[in-house]
Amino acid sequence: DAGVTQSPTHLIKTRGQQVTLRCSPKSGHDTVSWYQQALGQGPQFIFQYYEEEERQRGNFPDRFSGHQFPNYSSELNVNALLLGDSALYLCASSLGGRAQETQYFGPGTRLLVL
Amino acid sequence: GQNIDQPTEMTATEGAIVQINCTYQTSGFNGLFWYQQHAGEAPTFLSYNVLDGLEEKGRFSSFLSRSKGYSYLLLKELQMKDSASYLCAVRPSAWVSGGYNKLIFGAGTRLAVHP
Repeated sequence: DAGVTQSPTHLIKTRGQQVTLRCSPKSGHDTVSWYQQALGQGPQFIFQYYEEEERQRGNFPDRFSGHQFPNYSSELNVNALLLGDSALYLCASSLGGRAQETQYFGPGTRLLVL
Repeated sequence: GQNIDQPTEMTATEGAIVQINCTYQTSGFNGLFWYQQHAGEAPTFLSYNVLDGLEEKGRFSSFLSRSKGYSYLLLKELQMKDSASYLCAVRPSAWVSGGYNKLIFGAGTRLAVHP
């Protein structure tokens, strides 16, 4: 049973650049949520995708955008990178978009902005 | 507002029992989760409570009191591999989250298990 996968595992960018992170949900799941985890902090909700639409968004600027594909995989795009965007970006998948489902996390992409 | 508090660090001895507390103040409530996260790895799901009381799962148990906005995770027969961060997360009620599956996390408790 394939779990949640993310790529790349690590990434180094410079300020002002743009980055795209990718996520494939757990087999059978169709909902993808993205979280940002700064060092020593808990994950913070960025947004969630279900049926190829952004359903809910956390307190993140429009520089953060995403997409979900028909196969349920998802991308997170961050434009005009800032030093403060350095963090572990986690993708979590769940089933059916229902509020009762448990979210399962991928290994994350560690982004360093110089 | 949303606020979730957990101790920053705890230490314990191999074979002992440790209790990690979590208090929360959120706009509505629709379940509390505990996740384990080893350094540099993904959070892994440990437990879920939505009703008051104790949920037991092997060496791990989780307790919830909704009226007190309080939960704890109990780890028994501690092993060295239990050294990790433990994240408490609350799911707001549907009328707050729009019925969608969103989690609000605490900063995590870093547990160190010593021989």
